[in-house]
Amino acid sequence: QKEVEQNSGPLSVPEGAIASLNCTYSDRGSQSFFWYRQYSGKSPELIMFIYSNGDKEDGRFTAQLNKASQYVSLLIRDSQPSDSATYLCAVLGWVGSNYQLIWGAGTKLIIKP
Amino acid sequence: KAGVTQTPRYLIKTRGQQVTLSCSPISGHRSVSWYQQTPGQGLQFLFEYFSETQRNKGNFPGRFSGRQFSNSRSEMNVSTLELGDSALYLCASSVRLAGTYEQYFGPGTRLTVT
Repeated sequence: QKEVEQNSGPLSVPEGAIASLNCTYSDRGSQSFFWYRQYSGKSPELIMFIYSNGDKEDGRFTAQLNKASQYVSLLIRDSQPSDSATYLCAVLGWVGSNYQLIWGAGTKLIIKP
Repeated sequence: KAGVTQTPRYLIKTRGQQVTLSCSPISGHRSVSWYQQTPGQGLQFLFEYFSETQRNKGNFPGRFSGRQFSNSRSEMNVSTLELGDSALYLCASSVRLAGTYEQYFGPGTRLTVT
């Protein structure tokens, strides 16, 4: 089982709708969770950091963390074509004896005008 | 505020050689992390440095090493290069503030091993 799992997509969402991206993780002890956006040919960009259960909102983005169920999700409201990108989930956790940032493979999001 | 810079941007090496990549973080950021990105494996964590000390490391062989200088600039070294080391190497600088976390990636160094 991969430590951090995401649906690779592509996830196609009409412009103006809510895009919902999900991520599950295996390390129950993980404390910090990150969502990144990566445009094709560009570096990742941190868009959300969350470490406590519940929701965190930043503009059109909402991150939801459920530690009991070991998932973290990202909602994008009023989706715009410029939101089309690959969204990467990352979790701080243990891999063997190493404490590190563990990345999901990413979900490709396509916003259709 | 200047962004994270990485040099060189592109590099071609042959198997068995070694390479050194450089990363200059955003002013005021004392933490620098390195990542490898490939189409097959995605993003993988290499190591993190904070105040010249390696704080965390990923599951890479000892051929991959790094260091951080007193001005927070960091270098990553790969010795005895293998074809599989061809990848985009990204560094990121970060700072943890009260209740939040700020992190920025550099543009990356594209390493090709032939």
